[in-house]
Amino acid sequence: EIVLTQSPGTLSLSPGERATLSCKASQSVSNSLTWYQQKPGQAPRLLIFGAYDRVTGIPDRFSGSGSGADFTLTISRLEPEDFAVYYCQQYGESPITFGGGTKVE
Amino acid sequence: QLQLQESGPGLVKPSETLSLTCTVSGGSINRSSYYWGWIRQSPVRGLEWIGTVFYTGSTDYNPSLKSRVAISVDTSKNHFSLKLNSVTAADTGVYYCARHWSGYRVYFMEVWGKGTTVTVSS
Repeated sequence: EIVLTQSPGTLSLSPGERATLSCKASQSVSNSLTWYQQKPGQAPRLLIFGAYDRVTGIPDRFSGSGSGADFTLTISRLEPEDFAVYYCQQYGESPITFGGGTKVE
Repeated sequence: QLQLQESGPGLVKPSETLSLTCTVSGGSINRSSYYWGWIRQSPVRGLEWIGTVFYTGSTDYNPSLKSRVAISVDTSKNHFSLKLNSVTAADTGVYYCARHWSGYRVYFMEVWGKGTTVTVSS
């Protein structure tokens, strides 16, 4: 199965700063990658699918990029509600798999 | 607005069967565009896809759990269910149900339930 490695494990930033999160796959998944946001005590929430398509209602400060095996989630200017854990998930090959997460604190 | 709600025992004994139900409201489980399934999360294993069901009853399971899992759907009750047998402490975690987007045997989760915590312990 495809292994997704997210880095860094923790990102310590302040509101207004830019966050850059990485997700690397053990083999190419084309652009079949999603990003989820999870806050404490809540379920993950889908932010981006197809590597860069934002879900309706997700602010445009969230952007996804990359293809193949190397992907990035960028939050252009952090808002207080953006501090959370972010997961990537690949759906390029079965079984689908998730990364280990990056905590933005 | 589509909502999913997990229900079932929060404590299961080792070697027994974990049984959960996901009730869908605000939309029909019968729609051919969507698939439905289960994901679990634990500090040790992270997020892990368990399996997926279509309203016709067709299923797809994670190979790592396939021998122990069964997912079924009841369209008359607008819900679907998970059974995981021969549980051990390693099956402890938060179990989520979700509506999936589907390609050919690949999925991502568009709408999630709030999750339910299941502990395996005697």
